[in-house]
Amino acid sequence: NAGVMQNPRHLVRRRGQEARLRCSPVKGHSHVYWYRQLPEEGLKFMVYLQKENIIDESGMPKERFSAEFPKEGPSILRIQQVVRGDSAAYFCASSLDYIKYFGPGTRLTVL
Amino acid sequence: AQSVAQPEDQVNVAEGNPLTVKCTYSVSGNPYLFWYVQYPNRGLQFLLKYITGDNLVKGSYGFEAEFNKSQTSFHLKKPSALVSDSALYFCAAYGGATNKLIFGTGTLLAVQP
Repeated sequence: NAGVMQNPRHLVRRRGQEARLRCSPVKGHSHVYWYRQLPEEGLKFMVYLQKENIIDESGMPKERFSAEFPKEGPSILRIQQVVRGDSAAYFCASSLDYIKYFGPGTRLTVL
Repeated sequence: AQSVAQPEDQVNVAEGNPLTVKCTYSVSGNPYLFWYVQYPNRGLQFLLKYITGDNLVKGSYGFEAEFNKSQTSFHLKKPSALVSDSALYFCAAYGGATNKLIFGTGTLLAVQP
């Protein structure tokens, strides 16, 4: 029973480096969502993707952040030139019948 | 703007007592409402949902939630709390023509033995 998979689970980067977060949705799900969870806060929507298409990126910061969901392979959330404020837990979800199934998250720490 | 509010940062309850975690929403159209639970260092797990139908929705682990349209609330309840219920609980909603699931800020439930 393979649910949503994310890797790495923990990622440490120095300021200015790039972070790549991967997400494989539940088998058969073609919609992927990325959320960010900051300490003491709820989850904030970042981006909604279907295969090869960005459907809604209204929650993505305008600079340094990008996301893709290629025809083959996992969805990638990419953060360029990371800053300390990017430190957070990043969750990926896929959905079926309005229910979102979340992965275990990637905890990004920027030193 | 569409929003979900969880007015309590933390709820403390003794094991065996009933628990309630509060949630109110402000969304356009008919709301689709959800509760998720998050254990430490884990992702969110789906507990239950309200789409339509009976206002009292039953979910996983003995939890239930009551949809109240007039009060725009969707409080999570359980008749008898367990220590293992201690976790972070999130209320969430879709509203209008959107695929964005809007989350509350979460309520930490602490069940004391």
